[in-house]
Amino acid sequence: GAVVSQHPSWVICKSGTSVKIECRSLDFQATTMFWYRQFPKQSLMLMATSNEGSKATYEQGVEKDKFLINHASLTLSTLTVTSAHPEDSSFYICSARSRSSNEKLFFGSGTQLSVL
Amino acid sequence: QKEVEQNSGPLSVPEGAIASLNCTYSDRGSQSFFWYRQYSGKSPELIMFIYSNGDKEDGRFTAQLNKASQYVSLLIRDSQPSDSATYLCAVKGGTYKYIFGTGTRLKVLA
Repeated sequence: GAVVSQHPSWVICKSGTSVKIECRSLDFQATTMFWYRQFPKQSLMLMATSNEGSKATYEQGVEKDKFLINHASLTLSTLTVTSAHPEDSSFYICSARSRSSNEKLFFGSGTQLSVL
Repeated sequence: QKEVEQNSGPLSVPEGAIASLNCTYSDRGSQSFFWYRQYSGKSPELIMFIYSNGDKEDGRFTAQLNKASQYVSLLIRDSQPSDSATYLCAVKGGTYKYIFGTGTRLKVLA
């Protein structure tokens, strides 16, 4: 299957700092990438959809100024959590859809963010 | 009504038995259906996908789709302790969005 690389795997930061998470499709072109967050024992919550070369589409209730998404190329999307607070602590997962894989969605390994 | 519904479980089955996981969805226009396995603290991993009514088999896994009844299921034959995980059902309709269920936690008892 297609490989999606996400890093860092985990990050601990102080409240008020910004954290950038990268998501790369290694062996395919990802026209669309999705960003999810997941709290313990809960399902994936879609935060935003990122299309290469255009602005991200955010889900209702997700602050676009707080969660900045950039999809600069067909293989890279980044999520920046700005001015992070303890309530932003969560597991963030990116996923990418391959043009050639008939709509299958492949996930990155996830980033565990802990804000102190 | 939730768009994609799954029983949260846990579903406990003995080793070697068949585990049956079910998922129902509300959008009749849904076209693509996926099963993902997620271990605790890890990201989801694609196990099966199905687009047409009927059964699709891959090794110990069988996905079943019934569009008329709007359900999709996953059967795991010869269940192993390593199959213990949360199984997420995902549905894609005519839009770009993938809707995930809350997942069913499976426990395979040795």
